[in-house]
Amino acid sequence: KAGVTQTPRYLIKTRGQQVTLSCSPISGHRSVSWYQQTPGQGLQFLFEYFSETQRNKGNFPGRFSGRQFSNSRSEMNVSTLELGDSALYLCASTSMGTGTAEAFFGQGTRLTVV
Amino acid sequence: SQKIEQNSEALNIQEGKTATLTCNYTNYSPAYLQWYRQDPGRGPVFLLLIRENEKEKRKERLKVTFDTTLKQSLFHITASQPADSATYLCALDTNFNKFYFGSGTKLNVKP
Repeated sequence: KAGVTQTPRYLIKTRGQQVTLSCSPISGHRSVSWYQQTPGQGLQFLFEYFSETQRNKGNFPGRFSGRQFSNSRSEMNVSTLELGDSALYLCASTSMGTGTAEAFFGQGTRLTVV
Repeated sequence: SQKIEQNSEALNIQEGKTATLTCNYTNYSPAYLQWYRQDPGRGPVFLLLIRENEKEKRKERLKVTFDTTLKQSLFHITASQPADSATYLCALDTNFNKFYFGSGTKLNVKP
């Protein structure tokens, strides 16, 4: 079956703009999590959605938001982009409602803010 | 909050040897711990999951141990191959698929 698909793969934006990233989980997976990965901070949890409800949120400012649709596809939005938002954004889907199963990650979206 | 420490220095070993990577955590012991492999420019790939009541888990050439007293997990790759070269991440759950990841250890296996 198809893996986790993230679009776009690469994105270049200017400071102050906003951006929307998309994630299509594996068919049947209802949990989608988002992570930011930077060389200095590693993988940092952004938020997790399950059946269209945000269940957990990491320590990121309100400029970072997300949502999940009824087909489990998820989007994350970053408004008023800052240079420090440049990172690899990864989404992961799991088949279980809790973390007792493996997470399947997408290839990520590489966001560069100039 | 939970803090996970992995050796940030790269681990360089010779092909055929056993690679051992360490993951230490603070605060509470998680119900389980996962190990992932990440290649440059790609998302992490799940390798193994070990539960708090399991001392050891094996999968082919991989072995993971989990010591809740020491708050440590060890990840072993036996008979290492150059294709095993990658960054290895450990991850601890909190709840509802919210994971804390370590910064990863880069493994270099030289032929």
